[in-house]
Amino acid sequence: RKEVEQDPGPFNVPEGATVAFNCTYSNSASQSFFWYRQDCRKEPKLLMSVYSSGNEDGRFTAQLNRASQYISLLIRDSKLSDSATYLCVVNRRHTGANNLFFGTGTRLTVIP
Amino acid sequence: DVKVTQSSRYLVKRTGEKVFLECVQDMDHENMFWYRQDPGLGLRLIYFSYDVKMKEKGDIPEGYSVSREKKERFSLILESASTNQTSMYLCASSGLTLLDTQYFGPGTRLTVL
Repeated sequence: RKEVEQDPGPFNVPEGATVAFNCTYSNSASQSFFWYRQDCRKEPKLLMSVYSSGNEDGRFTAQLNRASQYISLLIRDSKLSDSATYLCVVNRRHTGANNLFFGTGTRLTVIP
Repeated sequence: DVKVTQSSRYLVKRTGEKVFLECVQDMDHENMFWYRQDPGLGLRLIYFSYDVKMKEKGDIPEGYSVSREKKERFSLILESASTNQTSMYLCASSGLTLLDTQYFGPGTRLTVL
C-alpha cells in the first residue's frame, strides 16, 4: 500500500464552485500533514499545513482525521488561478531529517 | 524569502556521461533532499542529508550518489547516466522541526540520450 494515496482526477469545475480533495495515508505514526500546490512545469509550494483541529486560510479549509488516517482540502469559490495539481503530503521523522511522503497529486482545472 | 537554487533548468547528456546537479539554499537549513518527479509516479526521494557530510538513502538511490561538503550546498551525481534517468530533478531544504516544510528549487529537467 502506498504511503499516501490521492485520487488523481482530473477535477474540472466551473468558476465559483466548491471542490473537495481527499487523501489517505497508511502509517499511523505520521506526525505532520501538509497540502502543497504544483503549477504546470513548476516546483511544489506549500499551500497550507493541516492541524488536528482543522484550519482555514481564506477560501481553503484543511481537515485531518487521525482515526481514519484521512486528510481533506476544501476550496470554496474556485478561481481560474486555482488550476493546479494539489499534493497531499505526510511527514514522518526519520533519523535526523524530516522526511516527506508525497501523494501523486490531484489535478484541478477551473473552467470559466 | 527562502531561496533554493539549482544549477541548471535544462540539461541534455549522453548515456554513460557523469552528471552533476547542484543545489544551494540560503536559509541555513540543516536538511536537504533530492527527488525525481515522473508522470504518474509523483515525487520520489533519492537521497537526503541532515548535516554536512551526512547522507542517507531515500527510496530510489540506485545509480545516484550525493555530496554535502558545505551546509548550503547539496550535489547529486549520476556516475554513468542512463536513459531511464531522464526526469525532472527537484532539490529541497527544510529546518529541523516537525512543522518545518520543505522549500523546493525550480527543478532541473534532465534528458539522457
